[in-house]
Amino acid sequence: QKEVEQDPGPLSVPEGAIVSLNCTYSNSAFQYFMWYRQYSRKGPELLMYTYSSGNKEDGRFTAQVDKSSKYISLFIRDSQPSDSATYLCAMSGWGNKLVFGAGTILRVKS
Amino acid sequence: EAGVAQSPRYKIIEKRQSVAFWCNPISGHATLYWYQQILGQGPKLLIQFQNNGVVDDSQLPKDRFSAERLKGVDSTLKIQPAKLEDSAVYLCASSLESGWAETQYFGPGTRLLVL
Repeated sequence: QKEVEQDPGPLSVPEGAIVSLNCTYSNSAFQYFMWYRQYSRKGPELLMYTYSSGNKEDGRFTAQVDKSSKYISLFIRDSQPSDSATYLCAMSGWGNKLVFGAGTILRVKS
Repeated sequence: EAGVAQSPRYKIIEKRQSVAFWCNPISGHATLYWYQQILGQGPKLLIQFQNNGVVDDSQLPKDRFSAERLKGVDSTLKIQPAKLEDSAVYLCASSLESGWAETQYFGPGTRLLVL
């Protein structure tokens, strides 16, 4: 069993839709949860991070963590074609070693 | 602020050949990471440096992969000899320090194809 599971998609939605991206994990030592966005032929860039269970909002993006269920989500409101990318969840324990999910390919159609 | 620089961007080699990748981290960043990203998978950490010392190389295939970070700035990753399964994107990242929750900044990667 992988430490971090993420549905690879692809997920195709119309412009303006609400997008929900999810990851599950098995290691209860993970304390720090991140979402990275990776455009084609580019390196990942940090989108959002959170340390605790609950929601964190930043503009059109909301990160949600449920440690009891070992489940994290990223919601994108009013999705735009420019949001089309691969979204990677990543997490770490008390060190700085990141464990990534496989990434979900998102396509927002105009 | 300049980002993480990597070269070359693309490389095609035959199996059993050797190849080297170069990374220049963000100025002032003490910690440097090399990741391997196979198509359809997330990045996997190969090696982590703190200044010019190795912090973690537990997932580096040491029979064929080597890395160094002389003078605690630039780094090179070498594969010798390459295998077909080494075809991947090799990402370099850097962070200010190696502490918990330090943001890692990634370069554009080097795309390697082994034929």
